[in-house]
Amino acid sequence: GENVEQHPSTLSVQEGDSAVIKCTYSDSASNYFPWYKQELGKGPQLIIDIRSNVGEKKDQRIAVTLNKTAKHFSLHITETQPEDSAVYFCAASNPNSGYALNFGKGTSLLVTP
Amino acid sequence: ETGVTQTPRHLVMGMTNKKSLKCEQHLGHNAMYWYKQSAKKPLELMFVYNFKEQTENNSVPSRFSPECPNSSHLFLHLHTLQPEDSALYLCASSLQLEGDEQFFGPGTRLTVL
Repeated sequence: GENVEQHPSTLSVQEGDSAVIKCTYSDSASNYFPWYKQELGKGPQLIIDIRSNVGEKKDQRIAVTLNKTAKHFSLHITETQPEDSAVYFCAASNPNSGYALNFGKGTSLLVTP
Repeated sequence: ETGVTQTPRHLVMGMTNKKSLKCEQHLGHNAMYWYKQSAKKPLELMFVYNFKEQTENNSVPSRFSPECPNSSHLFLHLHTLQPEDSALYLCASSLQLEGDEQFFGPGTRLTVL
């Protein structure tokens, strides 16, 4: 089955700096890659997603890049703010496994003022 | 608010108890999911329902029994659980199965004594 690896597990940055979280996946049939943000006491919430026919997608301070050849995708957050502090999860989905989302273990991001 | 509600938010039960978790979505979605979230582990997909029909059972022990009476409601019936079943149980829904955003509820924090 699909295996999603996520790094780093924890990340601490100063407010205003950029943060980058990286994920790799194992099944080349995967074609949908969402990123979720989970704040304390809440369920995960989608922040951005990308499909396999696109190499990059941007939404204000958040961007995601996808390298299908390397089976690698990354989340980039620029101009970080304290409210960006949360746990971030990447996931991969493919039609061979019923479109189930396979999640990485998560990255705990701390943005210090 | 994501449009997905879960009750109860917290539950403590003994190993011989029977309890049920409830999930309701107000988004008009057709697919609903149960996930288990444990510390230091990726979100684990447990069950998937599409148009009230179960499409996936990820080798979940029979002490967990799902029920989907209609597209808006999803239950997880629990009986004779083990302490290692203590976790956050998340419900999610999506408009369709294929590569669609999943909206998560806040979860039920379950503790098995």
